[in-house]
Amino acid sequence: DQQVKQNSPSLSVQEGRISILNCDYTNSMFDYFLWYKKYPAEGPTFLISISSIKDKNEDGRFTVFLNKSAKHLSLHIVPSQPGDSAVYFCAAMGRGSQGNLIFGKGTKLSVKP
Amino acid sequence: ETGVTQSPTHLIKTRGQQVTLRCSSQSGHNTVSWYQQALGQGPQFIFQYYREEENGRGNFPPRFSGLQFPNYSSELNVNALELDDSALYLCASSLGVGLPYEQYFGPGTRLTVT
Repeated sequence: DQQVKQNSPSLSVQEGRISILNCDYTNSMFDYFLWYKKYPAEGPTFLISISSIKDKNEDGRFTVFLNKSAKHLSLHIVPSQPGDSAVYFCAAMGRGSQGNLIFGKGTKLSVKP
Repeated sequence: ETGVTQSPTHLIKTRGQQVTLRCSSQSGHNTVSWYQQALGQGPQFIFQYYREEENGRGNFPPRFSGLQFPNYSSELNVNALELDDSALYLCASSLGVGLPYEQYFGPGTRLTVT
């Protein structure tokens, strides 16, 4: 049973527009959420995170929103750039966990020039 | 500072064989976690080592085992390989266990079991 769900396998966006990637989770014990970006032949790289005590975290073009009541988070990329084309993974960490990450299946973002 | 490296890049094994995958953590990182990423799936936590001791394990059978060495290198061993073990195996190192320590991933080893 998947605890972290990314229901959109792919997303295509025009350069300069906003990209919105969504993630849902089922386990209310999760209290930290992360987004990773993965290029082909490379390992995932950390992008941005949010603690469950917050509802928004911003870092440059990247903003993550958390809606705890809906068990939903989203990653906004504004403006999108062709270099953002990659697979994006949503991951969660449980309260008191030893750092083992629970990943979604990923969403492949394509930003077209 | 070098990043996390893994070897080999690709590997083909036959069902029933044993395999050892290697990971070299960033200097000073005393924690390494291993993940299995099957095709079309997200990475799944196998286990974590902290200061050369297993420190947590996911839902994987005992034929998946590991070692961590004082020189920041580690190994993932899989015995009695099954077809379903075909996947990308990722290691991730960090300065410590859990938050606030970021995990740095290597590029992975792609294992194919025939």
